[in-house]
Amino acid sequence: GQQLNQSPQSMFIQEGEDVSMNCTSSSIFNTWLWYKQDPGEGPVLLIALYKAGELTSNGRLTAQFGITRKDSFLNISASIPSDVGIYFCAGRYNNNDMRFGAGTRLTVKP
Amino acid sequence: GAGVSQSPRYKVAKRGQDVALRCDPISGHVSLFWYQQALGQGPEFLTYFQNEAQLDKSGLPSDRFFAERPEGSVSTLKIQRTQQEDSAVYLCASSFTGGFGNTIYFGEGSWLTVV
Repeated sequence: GQQLNQSPQSMFIQEGEDVSMNCTSSSIFNTWLWYKQDPGEGPVLLIALYKAGELTSNGRLTAQFGITRKDSFLNISASIPSDVGIYFCAGRYNNNDMRFGAGTRLTVKP
Repeated sequence: GAGVSQSPRYKVAKRGQDVALRCDPISGHVSLFWYQQALGQGPEFLTYFQNEAQLDKSGLPSDRFFAERPEGSVSTLKIQRTQQEDSAVYLCASSFTGGFGNTIYFGEGSWLTVV
């Protein structure tokens, strides 16, 4: 089953608002990743974090690797309609083992 | 190819039927992963290959699930005697190597419905 606790499960926001979602784990990870999945598609990587405390941006997206290595957050600023989708956090401990959260479903109202 | 390609995209199987799902990774990618994604859930790890070697199959839910990658490129996930609980999206992913810095690219998935 899922080992990562991702919250919130869903969000309904107005276009232009900022969004914040996070992921926690009882286990430490060496890498944290954030993916977006559109309906009928596979997950697409948004941001990868490789060091505890690292803060990384990709356009309007900002993510941080928690210093305890057990948590991460993703912020989306000034949301737009195409931000709609399901966002997943994922943690990697070793090369072949990547665990996913249950996802945050984002709806953006124009 | 340009991306990870999976076939079939959609499969409806009768309970008890065997199914085979195919994955064509990105050319040159050494690492290949299979994930199972139930409706409303995140992907769950099934198995991992490095070239033709299956290095981790700890996520395969039962001995009805079998994966192979005989020549180190195309992989097949086989499910024998399908059950209704096998209904899910099966995602294949690949990366250049297994190192942390290598992006894992996902295919669009094979949607399996067992009736």
